[in-house]
Amino acid sequence: GESVGLHLPTLSVQEGDNSIINCAYSNSASDYFIWYKQESGKGPQFIIDIRSNMDKRQGQRVTVLLNKTVKHLSLQIAATQPGDSAVYFCAENTGGYSTLTFGKGTMLLVSP
Amino acid sequence: ETGVTQTPRHLVMGMTNKKSLKCEQHLGHNAMYWYKQSAKKPLELMFVYNFKEQTENNSVPSRFSPECPNSSHLFLHLHTLQPEDSALYLCASSRELAGGSLNTQYFGPGTRLTVL
Repeated sequence: GESVGLHLPTLSVQEGDNSIINCAYSNSASDYFIWYKQESGKGPQFIIDIRSNMDKRQGQRVTVLLNKTVKHLSLQIAATQPGDSAVYFCAENTGGYSTLTFGKGTMLLVSP
Repeated sequence: ETGVTQTPRHLVMGMTNKKSLKCEQHLGHNAMYWYKQSAKKPLELMFVYNFKEQTENNSVPSRFSPECPNSSHLFLHLHTLQPEDSALYLCASSRELAGGSLNTQYFGPGTRLTVL
């Protein structure tokens, strides 16, 4: 649904730190989740996904954790780099065929 | 590059103009989507096409008219828009299975639309 808020939540980290971006979802029936990265002037770029029958999935430098009990999703980025600076969105499939619902996004700022 | 292209990348139009946005996917997908991205709002799904058939229209005003001539191309025809329609319009595509299992959507770079 619509988000409320005047600005994006922002996470500022130093290069080399690990970053954790969180997302709360609302529908306990959601069975598929995706993290996207959107850099300025570009469309969202797929990072990693996870289905509800899993609680953890790892990619290259990224890990997604799913806690269905509290309806929480997180994206962990290891050894964050300046190129990781972007807005990160979580998206959930709320049960409709081909329908994704997107979160508001979190801006990640990585300082050298 | 994601394999989804959009043209034009930027568009400025008056409220009485008619213009069209174009999206093309080179991924062999069978579903295509239009989204609207406004400042300070989440992505809003506008239209969905599966196998060239429109399956969703999320209460989008009739001044936005989609067209999907084949599974690789998607258009969004615009007419008599309002300034509040200014936004980034994103196209996406995915490979959908007949049983309805959702698969990853891949996005184009978007068209930045400004309505004067």
